[in-house]
Amino acid sequence: EPEVTQTPSHQVTQMGQEVILRCVPISNHLYFYWYRQILGQKVEFLVSFYNNEISEKSEIFDDQFSVERPDGSNFTLKIRSTKLEDSAMYFCASSETSASSYNEQFFGPGTRLTVL
Amino acid sequence: GQQLNQSPQSMFIQEGEDVSMNCTSSSIFNTWLWYKQDPGEGPVLLIALYKAGELTSNGRLTAQFGITRKDSFLNISASIPSDVGIYFCAGQLTSGNTPLVFGKGTRLSVIA
Repeated sequence: EPEVTQTPSHQVTQMGQEVILRCVPISNHLYFYWYRQILGQKVEFLVSFYNNEISEKSEIFDDQFSVERPDGSNFTLKIRSTKLEDSAMYFCASSETSASSYNEQFFGPGTRLTVL
Repeated sequence: GQQLNQSPQSMFIQEGEDVSMNCTSSSIFNTWLWYKQDPGEGPVLLIALYKAGELTSNGRLTAQFGITRKDSFLNISASIPSDVGIYFCAGQLTSGNTPLVFGKGTRLSVIA
């Protein structure tokens, strides 16, 4: 069964460093998302991406964040200068595009980012 | 932003018992969803609800979309140890590929 994959599973970085989190969405999906989950809290939407541009973003997704589809399979989230409060689990998700009322978002296993 | 109020925050139950959890919101949602998250994993969709008043089952799970489109409940019948995990409600304000708004989750523990 196709699934969303994410690498690395755990990333430890020093405050101020840049990190890139990688995702491989399900191959026939065209909508991609990043969510984050601070330890013990709810999952929060960061950004959605379609047709090589940002579709929607939340207020969390400030200038320190960027997303890219560098090739036909990968979808990345970059944090330019990490802060302690960026420590969280980051989930990538993907969905089909159709006329359905809901296109299921399939989540990857997540990357745990720890900023020291 | 939109808030989903999910309760209870945690539950400890005996194997075989039924479980109920619910979510409410001040906003009207187009779609209501229930996810389960196992440790170290991403959320997995259990049930999706599209119509006000809709009652949907998936095995031992039953969920309903409130008439006002502002609430939903999830019931698990005859719980088993593998039901352990965190259950999240989530809503979509509009149809299509729009962001999900998640509740804070209900942590379920099942005592064998």
